[in-house]
Amino acid sequence: QQPVQSPQAVILREGEDAVINCSSSKALYSVHWYRQKHGEAPVFLMILLKGGEQKGHEKISASFNEKKQQSSLYLTASQLSYSGTYFCGTVLGRNTDKLIFGTGTRLQVFP
Amino acid sequence: GAVVSQHPSRVICKSGTSVKIECRSLDFQATTMFWYRQFPKQSLMLMATSNEGSKATYEQGVEKDKFLINHASLTLSTLTVASAHPEDSSFYICSAEPGIDEQYFGPGTRLTVT
Repeated sequence: QQPVQSPQAVILREGEDAVINCSSSKALYSVHWYRQKHGEAPVFLMILLKGGEQKGHEKISASFNEKKQQSSLYLTASQLSYSGTYFCGTVLGRNTDKLIFGTGTRLQVFP
Repeated sequence: GAVVSQHPSRVICKSGTSVKIECRSLDFQATTMFWYRQFPKQSLMLMATSNEGSKATYEQGVEKDKFLINHASLTLSTLTVASAHPEDSSFYICSAEPGIDEQYFGPGTRLTVT
C-alpha cells in the first residue's frame, strides 16, 4: 500500500514555511525523503530510522513518529530552489531495502 | 561521490522493438540496484530489484518476460523492454546503494514508443 502524502500541492512565497506529511498504513523501519525536479531523477534529502528521531540540515528537517507510522518534512524560510515534487520513501523492515514511494507533494515557491 | 548514470537519457522506438537501458554506478560497487517506472505526474513505482549474480526479483504485476533485467557486474545493471508498446512509454529510473540505507538515483530514461 502506497503511503499517502499531504498536502498534494502547496504554493509558497519565498521565506514562507511548509510542512509535508507522509502517512503509512504499515509499520515502518525507516523513511527517506527525496525532492524531484521536473524531468529529473529524485535527489536524496535525508533518512530517518525508527526511534522517533528528528533530523535536519540547513533549513530542511524531518521527524519520524514510529507509533503513528508517520513522517513530516519541515521546510523553513523557503527558497526558490525548493520548488519541486517531494516524495517520502518508506522501508518496511530491517531485512529489506525496497523503497515504497508516497503519493508526492508538489511544492512551488514564488518570489 | 555516489554517482549513478543511465544510458540513454531518451529513446524513441517503434512498437514491437526492444529497448535496452543501462544503469551504472560510477564510483562505487552496488550489489543491489533497483528499477522504477514513473508515469507523468505520478509517483515512482518499484518494478524490480536487481541482484548481482542472481535473478532479479520482480514486484507484483510486473511481467518478468517483458522487462528483462541483467545485473552483469557490481557496477552495471540493464533493463530490456521486450517488444515495447505505447503503454510502456514512461520514465524509467534506476537506483543503487553505496551503503546501507541510502539509494542514489540515476538521471532517468524517457522512453517513448510510437
